[in-house]
Amino acid sequence: AQRVTQPEKLLSVFKGAPVELKCNYSYSGSPELFWYVQYSRQRLQLLLRHISRESIKGFTADLNKGETSFHLKKPFAQEEDSAMYYCALSAQGAQKLVFGQGTRLTINP
Amino acid sequence: GAVVSQHPSWVICKSGTSVKIECRSLDFQATTMFWYRQFPKQSLMLMATSNEGSKATYEQGVEKDKFLINHASLTLSTLTVTSAHPEDSSFYICSAGRDPNNPPLHFGNGTRLTVT
Repeated sequence: AQRVTQPEKLLSVFKGAPVELKCNYSYSGSPELFWYVQYSRQRLQLLLRHISRESIKGFTADLNKGETSFHLKKPFAQEEDSAMYYCALSAQGAQKLVFGQGTRLTINP
Repeated sequence: GAVVSQHPSWVICKSGTSVKIECRSLDFQATTMFWYRQFPKQSLMLMATSNEGSKATYEQGVEKDKFLINHASLTLSTLTVTSAHPEDSSFYICSAGRDPNNPPLHFGNGTRLTVT
């Protein structure tokens, strides 16, 4: 079974501080991992996916198969990063997504 | 701009009535669309996979007779909540993608359903 766990429901950091949103997954096959973000009053949107290995809005995430993790990181948080973040998993070549519970990130000025 | 449009954004209905929610892909054809449900402060739970021209695939525990899905064209899927009850009140979100071999990258803006 596929499962995604985001252990922190809420995370609050100060502007300029580093931020890390944790994501662990459980899947016996080869997963594809994603981070989605939902800003206030906006729709869910893709932030990044592990296969593209991009840095979007300063965020990066590395897939660690040994630890089955896909933590999202940003070295210097900005106030506009305040949002709800969801980690998600799919099997390779499949469209179905399994979402984590989400982490609400608040960046304090 | 938005590539997946969902309508209505919110709806209030009385118990026992049915409500239809539409999901449209605006500038691409989507052979597959997905319907999610999100309870307050909880994650998105996949309800069903909507397949153009064929029956939807429902996730375990989702009543297919209660949540009717019709994917009549390559740009439109509809979710009808039949004989709605207060416990059906929730946020319903659809998604679609251009690539049938990859997860959908575009989500609708969601529909807030309140059943009184």
